[in-house]
Amino acid sequence: DGGITQSPKYLFRKEGQNVTLSCEQNLNHDAMYWYRQDPGQGLRLIYYSQIVNDFQKGDIAEGYSVSREKKESFPLTVTSAQKNPTAFYLCASSRRTAHTDTQYFGPGTRLTVL
Amino acid sequence: SQQGEEDPQALSIQEGENATMNCSYKTSINNLQWYRQNSGRGLVHLILIRSNEREKHSGRLRVTLDTSKKSSSLLITASRAADTASYFCATDNSNFGNEKLTFGTGTRLTIIP
Repeated sequence: DGGITQSPKYLFRKEGQNVTLSCEQNLNHDAMYWYRQDPGQGLRLIYYSQIVNDFQKGDIAEGYSVSREKKESFPLTVTSAQKNPTAFYLCASSRRTAHTDTQYFGPGTRLTVL
Repeated sequence: SQQGEEDPQALSIQEGENATMNCSYKTSINNLQWYRQNSGRGLVHLILIRSNEREKHSGRLRVTLDTSKKSSSLLITASRAADTASYFCATDNSNFGNEKLTFGTGTRLTIIP
């Protein structure tokens, strides 16, 4: 999982609660990404960041928020506005947001809403 | 909507056989990447093929790209039990810049010992 850590591995949330998923990388990468994966599905992009203090919405940003205060860290908050948050969340990074760049993934956080 | 669609959705073969999976996409691309995901884990990059390339090899992996048909194939030769995983293609859309990849729904490969 190459230099990217995500915590916790499993997370349980009660309805109405906000939760924050951690993502840290020591690869000195500029770009970071958050994806959501549902069972048997591909990855859908939630948010991405090309540089510190800047981020853009992906395809399914509603009900999520992010921050990028440090190059190494890109936490994702799942808010109570996200109606169906139970999923597997993957964080990734790449040297740049360029089409030739490989993305390196963390091990994922499995979020379950009780 | 997903840019890439893998085919088949699931594939089971005997150890030692070759495994072929396909990816089709809809719009022009700059490159196409293949990733592997073991169950419950993150994705691992396997290989990248550029739009001006037709074939690329990496160890037991062979990837082809046919831009006229908007399709790619991943061949794994002499399969091993450790190859059991889901395989995803990922494309960037050259019409919308280089900021993000779009992943397909994946092929679930099972190698039977």
